Order: sequence, then C-alpha cells, then structure tokens
Amino acid sequence: GAVVSQHPSWVICKSGTSVKIECRSLDFQATTMFWYRQFPKQSLMLMATSNEGSKATYEQGVEKDKFLINHASLTLSTLTVTSAHPEDSSFYICSARDREKRGVVDEQFFGPGTRLTVL
Amino acid sequence: AQSVTQLDSQVPVFEEAPVELRCNYSSSVSVYLFWYVQYPNQGLQLLLKYLSGSTLVKGINGFEAEFNKSQTSFHLRKPSVHISDTAEYFCATAYNQGGKLIFGQGTELSVKP
Repeated sequence: GAVVSQHPSWVICKSGTSVKIECRSLDFQATTMFWYRQFPKQSLMLMATSNEGSKATYEQGVEKDKFLINHASLTLSTLTVTSAHPEDSSFYICSARDREKRGVVDEQFFGPGTRLTVL
Repeated sequence: AQSVTQLDSQVPVFEEAPVELRCNYSSSVSVYLFWYVQYPNQGLQLLLKYLSGSTLVKGINGFEAEFNKSQTSFHLRKPSVHISDTAEYFCATAYNQGGKLIFGQGTELSVKP
C-alpha cells in the first residue's frame, strides 16, 4: 500500500515550452501533497505544499507563476513548469500524506521522481 | 527554526563492516525525526522514524537509530553493511504536525567489496 506515482519519469523539452508533471496517490487519498526539487548531489528543497481544493503554499523564493501547482482531486496533483529554461533542469519529486492520518505526524510517501532536462 | 545537519557528505566502507551516519538536529519544539534512503534516480524510501517513546528506533534493512536529546543527535547505524546499501541517506525533521519535512544535506554511503 501507500504507492505514489509520477508521470513522466523523465522529460526533455525545449527552452520556452511548458511541462506538466503528474503526481498520483494510487491506493490512498491524499489531502496534502508536497513538491520538492533536487539538484545533482544535493538535498531535497521543498517548493510548495499542495492542498486539495485550495491554492498551493509556496516556499520563499519559489516563483508561483512559474511553477503552477494544481491539486484538483484527492489523488492527483500536477506541477507545471511554465516557460522552462535550462536552469529549471532538475529532479522533481512529489510526496503525499494519507488523508486517514491527518493531524498525525507520519511519513510522507514519495514518488519516484521526474527528471526534467531543458535544452 | 528547525534544521538538521548531516556531518559527513560521503562515507566509504567495506562490505560487512559497521557504519554510522551522523545527524544532528536543531529545534526548540517537539522533535520528529526521520531517515530516508534514496537509490540512484529514485524517490525516497523511509528507513525509520522517531516520533516519541523509546529512543532506540529500529527500521528496515537492518538499520537502527538512537534519539539523543542531550546531544541533539539522531545517528543511523547498521552493524554489517551490504553492497546493496550503497545509496544516498537523508536525515529529516518534520516541521510541526503539518508534515513539512526539512532535509539534511545527505550522506553518500559507498559500500565496497
């Protein structure tokens, strides 16, 4: 149980285009999903917290107009990188918290990540 | 503000040797601590967690960690490592009950035959 998937697993795009990454909780409902960014050989940096049915909360320094997050259902959150540039190339990882464990500090279930390369 | 510091960026070790990956935390409130493992080009997998109770926490794959409040540490240990343990290990703390995680810099464990 507690499986989180991401699609695509990797994507290559041209500079200036937009890319959408999906994060799905396959066997549980997630009221909260998190989006992280990871540069090579570095730690995960939280970009935003996505709550179902409401606007995402972005971390300081993250451009909300560039990284659009939509959490339209209890099992799906999407991250759209708009007008992507080479500096946006990175490994993007999502995680989800089980709705049943709301209010309990517990582990997040992580997706396998999406590697974005912008040419 | 809460933070975690992993003291070693790389730890090389021979197969079947013991290993300790160090993590220190900084927090003025209740502490929730986690260790995650990341294999190349994959997401994170939870190894173990400390929420409360017993300070010695046992996790998967033979790993364990000890919460030490006086030393503000949560070091990860394994008595005998395998080649398959080669991966990146992250210590993390939860930012209150909202679940927001703050990660350390990561430690690359390299197990050599």
